[in-house]
Amino acid sequence: KAGVTQTPRYLIKTRGQQVTLSCSPISGHRSVSWYQQTPGQGLQFLFEYFSETQRNKGNFPGRFSGRQFSNSRSEMNVSTLELGDSALYLCASSLYGGTKYEQYFGPGTRLTVT
Amino acid sequence: AQSVTQPDIHITVSEGASLELRCNYSYGATPYLFWYVQSPGQGLQLLLKYFSGDTLVQGIKGFEAEFKRSQSSFNLRKPSVHWSDAAEYFCAVGGSGGSNYKLTFGKGTLLTVNP
Repeated sequence: KAGVTQTPRYLIKTRGQQVTLSCSPISGHRSVSWYQQTPGQGLQFLFEYFSETQRNKGNFPGRFSGRQFSNSRSEMNVSTLELGDSALYLCASSLYGGTKYEQYFGPGTRLTVT
Repeated sequence: AQSVTQPDIHITVSEGASLELRCNYSYGATPYLFWYVQSPGQGLQLLLKYFSGDTLVQGIKGFEAEFKRSQSSFNLRKPSVHWSDAAEYFCAVGGSGGSNYKLTFGKGTLLTVNP
């Protein structure tokens, strides 16, 4: 079974621009979560989607948004990029979401904001 | 609010030596506890998890962890470390409540293995 895929793997953007990251979950998984990983803050939860509905959101500004499609693929968008948004963005999929079901992580998208 | 503390930022061990990585958590109810490993340029891989029952849990790659409620700890152990175990290790806590969908991670412990 194919794992979680994230595209693109690397991205360089300029401050003020916007960016869209994509995540394709494992086939049959209906929940997708997003995490931001930085050296200073570590791994922080962004949001979780299940059946196209956002069920939980972390403590991030409104510039961070996401959505999930009917095939469970998910995208996250960051508008008006700031230097501090440089990070590894990880996507995780699970069957039904919730912490009881194992989350499988993708390799991440490395975003650099200059 | 849930939180995780990994007191050791960086640990160096010799190949073949035993390993213990510390993890302390804070959570108001019964926690779900996890250990993940991340190799450079990779995502996170689940090593083991604790939900309930036996407090000593076995995971992949020869790792085990022990849940100690009285100490709010969930330390990861391995009796004999291999060079391929060099990576960053993350402890995480998740809520057992029905509306809790997020994992809260510690800051990680970087493991270096000397030959």
